[in-house]
Amino acid sequence: AQKITQTQPGMFVQEKEAVTLDCTYDTSDPSYGLFWYKQPSSGEMIFLIYQGSYDQQNATEGRYSLNFQKARKSANLVISASQLGDSAMYFCAMREGGGNTGKLIFGQGTTLQVKP
Amino acid sequence: GAGVSQSPSNKVTEKGKDVELRCDPISGHTALYWYRQSLGQGLEFLIYFQGNSAPDKSGLPSDRFSAERTGGSVSTLTIQRTQQEDSAVYLCASSPRGDWTGELFFGEGSRLTVL
Repeated sequence: AQKITQTQPGMFVQEKEAVTLDCTYDTSDPSYGLFWYKQPSSGEMIFLIYQGSYDQQNATEGRYSLNFQKARKSANLVISASQLGDSAMYFCAMREGGGNTGKLIFGQGTTLQVKP
Repeated sequence: GAGVSQSPSNKVTEKGKDVELRCDPISGHTALYWYRQSLGQGLEFLIYFQGNSAPDKSGLPSDRFSAERTGGSVSTLTIQRTQQEDSAVYLCASSPRGDWTGELFFGEGSRLTVL
């Protein structure tokens, strides 16, 4: 069964510094996608970045990059040059292919606070 | 608007009453999901619809919960005989594809409070 684990309930980072949010996953399916979402205090879910299991390079989207280590089954999110507006809850999620196509499972989330 | 629309945004009900929550996905999106999020917690998968396939109901917590999707578009999540533990934000999401590559677009949620 698919499983997503985020072991950091809360993180602090100084403004303008980089921060890494950890995510590990477990699946026996060779085809899967990994996603990161941001949820600010307003409650909306904002898609940040996607990494496919067959992608050769780590995904990047502006200040967000995904450190994908397939053998270790980890998909850590790196936020560079943190901004006050990055303070939010961050969720890692996974969708499997194969017989369980489409179901997206979320981790428990990491609350990030950016300090001025 | 062009996003996922959910209604009502807030619902307060008495224990034992039935409630219906509505989701209008982005036009053309074949996949539709319902999640539940309790305060400060992660998203709990409830149910997933993909095209004309049988829905994946594996996340529904009890037989008091049901959902349908009419005409491949609008979906309704029904909770019968509500309990206080049903209080949560119910999030709907849609995706243009049902495979493992498509991102989900979320609505703003329906906040349910059961007194």
